[in-house]
Amino acid sequence: DIQMTQSPSTLSASVGDRVTITCRASQSISSWLAWYQQKPGKAPKLLIYKASNLESGVPSRFSGSGSGTEFTLTISGLQPDDFATYYCQQYQMSSWTFGQGTKVEI
Amino acid sequence: EVQLLESGGGLVQPGGSLRLSCEASGFIFSNYAMNWVRQAPGKGLEWVSAVSGSGVSTFYADSVKGRFTVSRDTSKNTLFLQMSSLRAEDTAIYYCAKDRRLGELPEGFFDYWGRGTLVTVSS
Repeated sequence: DIQMTQSPSTLSASVGDRVTITCRASQSISSWLAWYQQKPGKAPKLLIYKASNLESGVPSRFSGSGSGTEFTLTISGLQPDDFATYYCQQYQMSSWTFGQGTKVEI
Repeated sequence: EVQLLESGGGLVQPGGSLRLSCEASGFIFSNYAMNWVRQAPGKGLEWVSAVSGSGVSTFYADSVKGRFTVSRDTSKNTLFLQMSSLRAEDTAIYYCAKDRRLGELPEGFFDYWGRGTLVTVSS
């Protein structure tokens, strides 16, 4: 299986901050990467797919970049609604795997 | 509006069995692969299984292969997960998730999720 490693595990930030989360794959996954946001007690929400494509309805302050083994999720201008846990996920090959998550907290 | 509603979770003893269901609405069910993803309490996400739009092809994580069986009833717009030989480490919220890509085979990422159903394996 392809291992996905996110950093940091926890990130302390303030409203208005620019936040960057990194995701590394144990082997090349081209651009087959998605990002999700999960709030406590809720199901995950798709934010970005194919590394940099913004899902419909997702605010433009979210952006993704990268290819191969290193990827980033950036939130430009953190909003109160953005405090949550974020997961990357590779879909290069089954079995599809997620990173361990990054909690963005105040 | 796409809706996914899981049911069938509960408390089961180690070695026992359980069948989860997911009722889908708001889209043409047979046009999309469907998935199960789980999340142990306080932990991250783990993809469990996928089934193609027609139900012919199935896919499993190594951790459940040989113990879990995924299926679908397209006439009832319902996805199933039959779980057997359950272990304590199978304790999790099980989410039903729709594959984003229109087509028979799964692409492997998910645009709609249900609210989940909790499975607890304990004696």
